[in-house]
Amino acid sequence: GQQLNQSPQSMFIQEGEDVSMNCTSSSIFNTWLWYKQEPGEGPVLLIALYKAGELTSNGRLTAQFGITRKDSFLNISASIPSDVGIYFCAGQLGWNQGGKLIFGQGTELSVKP
Amino acid sequence: DTAVSQTPKYLVTQMGNDKSIKCEQNLGHDTMYWYKQDSKKFLKIMFSYNNKELIINETVPNRFSPKSPDKAHLNLHINSLELGDSAVYFCASSQSAGTGELFFGEGSRLTVL
Repeated sequence: GQQLNQSPQSMFIQEGEDVSMNCTSSSIFNTWLWYKQEPGEGPVLLIALYKAGELTSNGRLTAQFGITRKDSFLNISASIPSDVGIYFCAGQLGWNQGGKLIFGQGTELSVKP
Repeated sequence: DTAVSQTPKYLVTQMGNDKSIKCEQNLGHDTMYWYKQDSKKFLKIMFSYNNKELIINETVPNRFSPKSPDKAHLNLHINSLELGDSAVYFCASSQSAGTGELFFGEGSRLTVL
């Protein structure tokens, strides 16, 4: 079945540092999305990417849809304590494969003030 | 008003019991989902309904039965609960079945003793 490999699994950084995480797959996806989950909450959509090569920003967050359609990365600049949480990438399959979302294993981010 | 609300938030029960989790969305979305998040935080789709019709049914034991009385509600009934069913169950909705932009509820943590 389709799988996403997300790395790193966890990161411990100092406030103010930049963060980078990525997802790779052997499958091609039509859409890449990045979600953030805080403790006790459901995931919340951060960024959605629809075209290969697309680079999109949302405040301090920047994400790119890989040109091969098999990978994506998320960067967070100048991290702050409220960036703490688990970040999930997700790839959406095409209609002929049910349009399902496949999630990565998550990157747990800890930010030290 | 909470966009996607699910009840109960916590559920502790004995093996062999039957339990239900309810979900409601007030976003006017056409599509609703149930996801299971295991102890390693991995998110996996279980079911998806579009306008009350089942469109995604992953390899889930038939002890799990979803029901969508209308497009704003998607309930999950679980029969003969097993220890391995312990997880956090998330309800989500999206505007249509073709988008990966999901809105998640806060989750229902099920513990089977």
